[in-house]
Amino acid sequence: DIQMTQSPSSLSASVGDRVTITCRASQDITNYLNWYQQKPGKAPKLLIYNASDLETGVPSRFSEGGSGTEFSFTISSLQPEDIATYFCQQYADLPLTFGGGTKVDIK
Amino acid sequence: QVLLVESGGGVVQPGRSLRLSCAASGFTFNTYAMHWVRQVPGKGLEWLAVIAYDGVNKYYADSVKGRFTISRDNSKNTLYLQMNSLRVEDTAVYYCARQTLPAAIMDHWGQGTLVTVSS
Repeated sequence: DIQMTQSPSSLSASVGDRVTITCRASQDITNYLNWYQQKPGKAPKLLIYNASDLETGVPSRFSEGGSGTEFSFTISSLQPEDIATYFCQQYADLPLTFGGGTKVDIK
Repeated sequence: QVLLVESGGGVVQPGRSLRLSCAASGFTFNTYAMHWVRQVPGKGLEWLAVIAYDGVNKYYADSVKGRFTISRDNSKNTLYLQMNSLRVEDTAVYYCARQTLPAAIMDHWGQGTLVTVSS
């Protein structure tokens, strides 16, 4: 199975800050990576797919970079509505696997 | 709009069975592969199973292989997860999710249904 290691597990930042989350795959997954946002009590929501493509309607302050085994997810200017847990997920191979999640809150 | 509604969760004793349903609407159900994913409250996401658009091909996570069965009824726009020999560690919120056409990207998720396995 492909292991996805996400860091940090939590972070606290101020409104307007740039926030970056890292996801590392245990083997090369090229760009077969998605990012999901999950707010408390809600289902995950797809934000970014194919490592860099923004889902329709997702604000442009969300972006992603990387390929192979190292990926980074960035919120360029943190907003109060971005408070959530973010998960990376690889789809290079079955079983699909997720990172452990990064909980983002406001300082 | 795309809507996925899970049902069938509840409290069940270890060793018993439960069947979850996921009613789909707002899209052509019989052209999309579908997934089940679960989440222990407060923890991460675990992929469980996928079924092809026509129900022919199915794949499972090792943790549920042989105990859980994914199926679908395209005439009813409904996805199922039959869960047998339930264990305490199967306690979680269970989500169904639609896969985009070209790749295993889960672009729409249901709201989830809670399964509690307890004696």
